[in-house]
Amino acid sequence: KNEVEQSPQNLTAQEGEFITINCSYSVGISALHWLQQHPGGGIVSLFMLSSGKKKHGRLIATINIQEKHSSLHITASHPRDSAVYICAVVNYGGSQGNLIFGKGTKLSVKP
Amino acid sequence: GAVVSQHPSWVICKSGTSVKIECRSLDFQATTMFWYRQFPKQSLMLMATSNEGSKATYEQGVEKDKFLINHASLTLSTLTVTSAHPEDSSFYICSARGGYRKRAPQHFGDGTRLSIL
Repeated sequence: KNEVEQSPQNLTAQEGEFITINCSYSVGISALHWLQQHPGGGIVSLFMLSSGKKKHGRLIATINIQEKHSSLHITASHPRDSAVYICAVVNYGGSQGNLIFGKGTKLSVKP
Repeated sequence: GAVVSQHPSWVICKSGTSVKIECRSLDFQATTMFWYRQFPKQSLMLMATSNEGSKATYEQGVEKDKFLINHASLTLSTLTVTSAHPEDSSFYICSARGGYRKRAPQHFGDGTRLSIL
């Protein structure tokens, strides 16, 4: 079993829909990242959070430390949101603070 | 925001060639850099961690003599894939972190797509 599990693996939505991507993890963490990877491969960090909720524009990220679960929400989705969204955790037990990644959720937003 | 430049963005070369990938932090000092590899439809996997001025720490299963990492300055780390073979074809990406706090943000390069013929 992977230490970081994401669902769904693939998601197709119509423009304007509300989208939720889920992430569950099984290790102790000091922080959790939500990342966006575009088709060329480049990665952008959307959020880093260790508790509660963060909002940036149409994106909202929440985390429940007790339940070891995080969600990424996109309101009023747009075709330009199409990308792979990756959940990654900072391993509390790791000596260097490296990230452990989920497999990603491929999002396609249709106009 | 902090910028990390990774170069080259893609490489196609013959089997047996050595390939060097550079990762530069442009507007901050990167005390720690991470090198990751991603095979198709797989997660990003940590290959090694390098701290400026120290030897890199390699993950289990990653050959340190094949994947040479140098982090000689606070703004530059390099990964050299020596005598590359087709099975080394993958997407390689670096990330850089300023400071030594584990929770400090990591900033990613754009990655290097390596194809070995």
